[in-house]
Amino acid sequence: GQQLNQSPQSMFIQEGEDVSMNCTSSSIFNTWLWYKQDPGEGPVLLIALYKAGELTSNGRLTAQFGITRKDSFLNISASIPSDVGIYFCAGFSGGSNYKLTFGKGTLLTVNP
Amino acid sequence: DAGVIQSPRHEVTEMGQEVTLRCKPISGHNSLFWYRQTMMRGLELLIYFNNNVPIDDSGMPEDRFSAKMPNASFSTLKIQPSEPRDSAVYFCASSFGGNSPLHFGNGTRLTVT
Repeated sequence: GQQLNQSPQSMFIQEGEDVSMNCTSSSIFNTWLWYKQDPGEGPVLLIALYKAGELTSNGRLTAQFGITRKDSFLNISASIPSDVGIYFCAGFSGGSNYKLTFGKGTLLTVNP
Repeated sequence: DAGVIQSPRHEVTEMGQEVTLRCKPISGHNSLFWYRQTMMRGLELLIYFNNNVPIDDSGMPEDRFSAKMPNASFSTLKIQPSEPRDSAVYFCASSFGGNSPLHFGNGTRLTVT
């Protein structure tokens, strides 16, 4: 089946630093989504991307849909302690079967 | 706005018992998804419905698992008989279908002893 390779698996940063994480795939995706999951809760949508090359921001978060349609990245600027959590990329590959495939997640720890 | 509502939040049961997880999707959404999350395998799609009809159940682990969606506002995931390896967090999600984003509930943490 479809697979998304998400990296890094974990990050330990100081408050105020910028963060970057990415997802790659061997096949084309026509929609990329980024989610954040806090402990004991479900994933929450951060940003949705629908077009190759699209760059979208949500506050301190910025995500881009790669030109090749096989990758996407998420940047967080000026991190704060509440950014702690697991970040997931996810994608729809299109066709008639709309199954959302998830990456394995990036665990972000922010030291105050 | 009410999000996706799942119950129970926690379930502890003994091996061999039947377990039923429940989900109420967001009103107006026509697609519903059941996912399982474990440390080892991450988020796995078990089954999804479109307009109350199961579209893809290829992720259902085995015959012990079954899911129903009797109407647009309710779905169940049943495990019978349950086994310790079924221990995981089970999420329900809903969407407007197609490639629209999924909205997740807060999950049911299942522990089978």
